[in-house]
Amino acid sequence: GQQLNQSPQSMFIQEGEDVSMNCTSSSIFNTWLWYKQDPGEGPVLLIALYKAGELTSNGRLTAQFGITRKDSFLNISASIPSDVGIYFCAGHPSNNAGNMLTFGGGTRLMVKP
Amino acid sequence: DAMVIQNPRYQVTQFGKPVTLSCSQTLNHNVMYWYQQKSSQAPKLLFHYYDKDFNNEADTPDNFQSRRPNTSFCFLDIRSPGLGDAAMYLCATSRGLVGPRGQFFGPGTRLTVL
Repeated sequence: GQQLNQSPQSMFIQEGEDVSMNCTSSSIFNTWLWYKQDPGEGPVLLIALYKAGELTSNGRLTAQFGITRKDSFLNISASIPSDVGIYFCAGHPSNNAGNMLTFGGGTRLMVKP
Repeated sequence: DAMVIQNPRYQVTQFGKPVTLSCSQTLNHNVMYWYQQKSSQAPKLLFHYYDKDFNNEADTPDNFQSRRPNTSFCFLDIRSPGLGDAAMYLCATSRGLVGPRGQFFGPGTRLTVL
């Protein structure tokens, strides 16, 4: 099946630093979604991307749908303590007839005040 | 506010004792999903309903069943929970399979099996 390779697996940064994480696949994806999950809660959608090359911002967050349709990145600028959580990329592979979401393994972000 | 609600948030059951988890939504989405999430891992899709049509993932154990009596409600039944079934169970909804805003997740139910 399709796999999404998400990196890094974890990050420990200082408050105020910028953060970058990405997802790559050997398959082409039609959509890319970025979710954040706080401990004990369900994932919350941050940004949805639907076109190759699309660059979308949501406050301090910016995400891009790669031109090759095989990758996406999420940047967080000027991190704050409440950015702590697990970030998941997810997408709909173009060759998945069922159109189910495929998830990356997650990036655990820790922010030191 | 439109949302996805899961009850209970925490459920404790005994090994082998059937348990039902519930999900309701006020989004009027036609697709509802059940995911299993183990510690620090990505959610794993168990099954989904597209309207009334039930779609099981190939590797979902027979121990897991689901019911969707109407658009708003969906239930996850675990017939004989084992220790390995302890996990967070997430319900999600979407408008169509590739919804314009992705899948909306509920807060989850954390299941403990004693």
